[in-house]
Amino acid sequence: EPEVTQTPSHQVTQMGQEVILRCVPISNHLYFYWYRQILGQKVEFLVSFYNNEISEKSEIFDDQFSVERPDGSNFTLKIRSTKLEDSAMYFCASRSLGYGYTFGSGTRLTVV
Amino acid sequence: GENVEQHPSTLSVQEGDSAVIKCTYSDSASNYFPWYKQELGKRPQLIIDIRSNVGEKKDQRIAVTLNKTAKHFSLHITETQPEDSAVYFCAASTRGYQKVTFGIGTKLQVIP
Repeated sequence: EPEVTQTPSHQVTQMGQEVILRCVPISNHLYFYWYRQILGQKVEFLVSFYNNEISEKSEIFDDQFSVERPDGSNFTLKIRSTKLEDSAMYFCASRSLGYGYTFGSGTRLTVV
Repeated sequence: GENVEQHPSTLSVQEGDSAVIKCTYSDSASNYFPWYKQELGKRPQLIIDIRSNVGEKKDQRIAVTLNKTAKHFSLHITETQPEDSAVYFCAASTRGYQKVTFGIGTKLQVIP
């Protein structure tokens, strides 16, 4: 079964540093997403991406965040200057023209 | 935007009993309602979904019901087993590339 792959699985970074989280969506999927989950809380939408541009973003997705699909396969989330409250599990997801999402296994980001 | 309410937040049942989790949504345009199971430290995995043109759907021990008039939908798990223990999230979305909005999650514990 096709999978969404995320790297790294765990990233520890110092406050104020930039991090890039990487995702390889399923190859024939067209829509890409980033979600985050603070420990013990619900999964929150960050951003959706289609046709090489952001289609929707939440209020969480401020100027510190950016997304890119640099080479047609990878889909990245960059946090420019990390804050303690950015510590969370970040999930990438992709979907085709139908309804079903496939989530990646996540990157646990710890900001110290 | 869409708001999904979910209850209960925790649910303990004896093995073999049934479990019911209920959700409501606010956006009448939502027409896709997936349910995800998340085991500790893992990604959300789709277990069943229902679309607005269907009132009920069943897959072995799992069933979902949808009442579009009342804007609520429910997950029913029968003959629960210890491996059903996990956090279950309901969600709502529209077709196309729209985001999925998650409920707060229900931690289900099945007691052997």
